[in-house]
Amino acid sequence: DGGITQSPKYLFRKEGQNVTLSCEQNLNHDAMYWYRQDPGQGLRLIYYSQIVNDFQKGDIAEGYSVSREKKESFPLTVTSAQKNPTAFYLCASSAGLGVTDTQYFGPGTRLTVL
Amino acid sequence: SQKIEQNSEALNIQEGKTATLTCNYTNYSPAYLQWYRQDPGRGPVFLLLIRENEKEKRKERLKVTFDTTLKQSLLHITASQPADSATYLCALGPGGSYIPTFGRGTSLIVHP
Repeated sequence: DGGITQSPKYLFRKEGQNVTLSCEQNLNHDAMYWYRQDPGQGLRLIYYSQIVNDFQKGDIAEGYSVSREKKESFPLTVTSAQKNPTAFYLCASSAGLGVTDTQYFGPGTRLTVL
Repeated sequence: SQKIEQNSEALNIQEGKTATLTCNYTNYSPAYLQWYRQDPGRGPVFLLLIRENEKEKRKERLKVTFDTTLKQSLLHITASQPADSATYLCALGPGGSYIPTFGRGTSLIVHP
């Protein structure tokens, strides 16, 4: 059963702590993405990766870090430097970066900073 | 600056009617436009892509129009059903690579 998974679904963190969100895909996609969604706002791109061992900053990369050591995995770390980390985080993947390469989204992780 | 506008107010319609959702943009010359559906607490699901040189595209009960003069796209959902209730996002893409910019979405509520 192919797809993209994110874990955990809900995550609580104390202020000042780093936390890592998991994203795994078994679609054999080269490209992967991380978005942040806040209430009443569109998806904002945090980081994306076209291939293994390569990633690029998106529009709001400050306070976040990623790695792409394996094709199927693209974890996102929310560091203590992120000023307002409470949000809904979405991971996506696509075959490539072409116009017709549809993005497939995971179910999301809701992060709450206490 | 580039702006994508979708109505922040929910669209309420009766079952069986046609729902029309609007996506306007400014300071943007998109090469393509996409529509996604998002259910509460879940990731968006791709619906349709329309390119700048296409006026209209259809898929089952969905019809998308793209008017680059008006800088507007419309998503029509005919014979709407309560199961169509969701938030609908539009996303605009530049030429070349596939990193679209998303609008905030419009909530559709179909009443039985």
